[in-house]
Amino acid sequence: GDQVEQSPSALSLHEGTGSALRCNFTTTMRAVQWFRKNSRGSLINLFYLASGTKENGRLKSAFDSKERYSTLHIRDAQLEDSGTYFCAAEATNTGKLTFGDGTVLTVKP
Amino acid sequence: GPKVLQIPSHQIIDMGQMVTLNCDPVSNHLYFYWYKQILGQQMEFLVNFYNGKVMEKSKLFKDQFSVERPDGSYFTLKIQPTALEDSAVYFCASSPTGGAPQDTQYFGPGTRLLVL
Repeated sequence: GDQVEQSPSALSLHEGTGSALRCNFTTTMRAVQWFRKNSRGSLINLFYLASGTKENGRLKSAFDSKERYSTLHIRDAQLEDSGTYFCAAEATNTGKLTFGDGTVLTVKP
Repeated sequence: GPKVLQIPSHQIIDMGQMVTLNCDPVSNHLYFYWYKQILGQQMEFLVNFYNGKVMEKSKLFKDQFSVERPDGSYFTLKIQPTALEDSAVYFCASSPTGGAPQDTQYFGPGTRLLVL
């Protein structure tokens, strides 16, 4: 079936630094969503992309359907950015999302 | 932002009994989804629902599962009878549209179901 390979599984950053998360897809996807799971376990929407890039504050995401990947860049990381980040992608037009395994981000002082 | 509510937040039930999980989707959304996450595993798609019908379901959506949204009220997932392997967190989601182009799905906080 459709696979979403998310990396890294865990990431540790010092405050003020940045890094990128990546999802590779085994098939062509129509769109991708990025989420952060908060301390209560709720999924917070970060981005929805059908193509190109989007930016929101210190977060920026890109999606390349042809090359089968999406990235989430975090810059100037803050302590409150800590949490688990997920990508999820749609292969068809039915809205079915296939999730990655998540990246546990820890931001340290 | 838009909020999806789920009731109850936790449910403990004996194997073989029926359980109904309730979802209050974002108003004016037309597409509804259920996902299942077993502890320590990936979130997985169960079913999506539009205009009173199931549009797509996964192999996880067993015959014991059913969904409905009677008269625009809660979007429900019913499991009858429950089995031990149904223990998981069930997430509801809704989106304004489901056809091309796709749109953002908003997720509820989940219902933690434990089947004993």
